[in-house]
Parts: sequence; C-alpha cells; structure tokens
Amino acid sequence: GENVEQHPSTLSVQEGDSAVIKCTYSDSASNYFPWYKQELGKRPQLIIDIRSNVGEKKDQRIAVTLNKTAKHFSLHITETQPEDSAVYFCAASGNFGNEKLTFGTGTRLTIIP
Amino acid sequence: EADIYQTPRYLVIGTGKKITLECSQTMGHDKMYWYQQDPGMELHLIHYSYGVNSTEKGDLSSESTVSRIRTEHFPLTLESARPSHTSQYLCASSRRPNNSPLHFGNGTRLTVT
Repeated sequence: GENVEQHPSTLSVQEGDSAVIKCTYSDSASNYFPWYKQELGKRPQLIIDIRSNVGEKKDQRIAVTLNKTAKHFSLHITETQPEDSAVYFCAASGNFGNEKLTFGTGTRLTIIP
Repeated sequence: EADIYQTPRYLVIGTGKKITLECSQTMGHDKMYWYQQDPGMELHLIHYSYGVNSTEKGDLSSESTVSRIRTEHFPLTLESARPSHTSQYLCASSRRPNNSPLHFGNGTRLTVT
C-alpha cells in the first residue's frame, strides 16, 4: 500500500518569511495530492490539491509543487501570517481501486510574530 | 447550510459500555469515511463507504463497526468501549468522482475511563 512521509514534524518561521513542507510517497500509481490544514481544536480543511498531470499549482500565498519522477511534493507558504499557525497534513491517493487517501504524519507550523 | 455533522462533540464513558458516534451529511455525498486521530497527530482511516449498504475496513484495525443504511448517515459503533479506544474520531465525506476533496466533521473526542 501507499506510504507517505512528511518533513519536518515541526517548523517555526518568522512572520513574513516563507515556509516549506515536504512529502514523499511510495506508490508510483498515486495521482492525487491534497494538503489539509488543521487549526487547534478544529477539523482538517483542504487548502490546496494537485493532480499528477501538472507540476505546480498556486493559490494566492500557497503553492504546491509535484515531482512525479522523484515521488515527492511540497507545500510552499509565502509571506506567512500568524493565522497560518496550524498542523498541515499532506496526503496521496491513486485511482481505480486505490483511491483511499493516505496521510502524512503532519507538520506543526508556528509563525513567530 | 450543507455540512457534515458529528454528535456528540465530547463523550466520557466507562469501560464496557456500548456507544454509537453519529455522523450525518447534507451535501449529497456518496462516499463517507471514519478517521481516528490523536490530537494533532496522523489521521488513520478505520472505515469507509462508497454508497448505501457498502462498507469496508480501513488501514488501521479497529474494533468498531459501521453501517450505511441511508446515504446521509454513517454511524460508528463500539460494542464494548475500552481505555485504548480513547481518541478523536473524525467523520468525512466526498463526492463520487475519484479523488474528490474530503470534507470533515468537527469530530467526537472520546474518553473511556
């Protein structure tokens, strides 16, 4: 089955700086890679996702890049703000019978004012 | 408002009791899922359903059971609660097309004493 590794487990950045979280996956058939943000005591919420037919996707301050050859994808947050503080989870899933999402172990991001 | 609802939000119960965690969604989603998550930690899939009368076990072995008699309702039952069942249980749903985003409920935080 799919295995997703996520690094780092904790990350602290100064407000206004950029944050990068990296994930690797094991199943070359995986083709969908979402990122979820979970604030303290709240439900996980989708912030961005990417499919295997594109290499990069951007939504305002958030971007995700995908390298299918190397089987890794990354989340980039620019101009970080205090409200970006949360736990971020990457995930991967395939298709045709293997579309269950496998989540990474999470990254606790702290923005230092 | 279309959403996914979980009750109760918090539950403290003694060992050996039977409990049912409720999950209902008003988004018309075909697919529903149960995840187990210790606070701020990795999400583990314990059950999923792709439609009425369809249920499957997830990647994490669980002593709980589920049923899907109606599209909008996906309850999880523990016949005999134990302290090892203490955790947060998150229900989620998604549309039918493969690799559609997950929408999570607010979760039930279960404590078994």
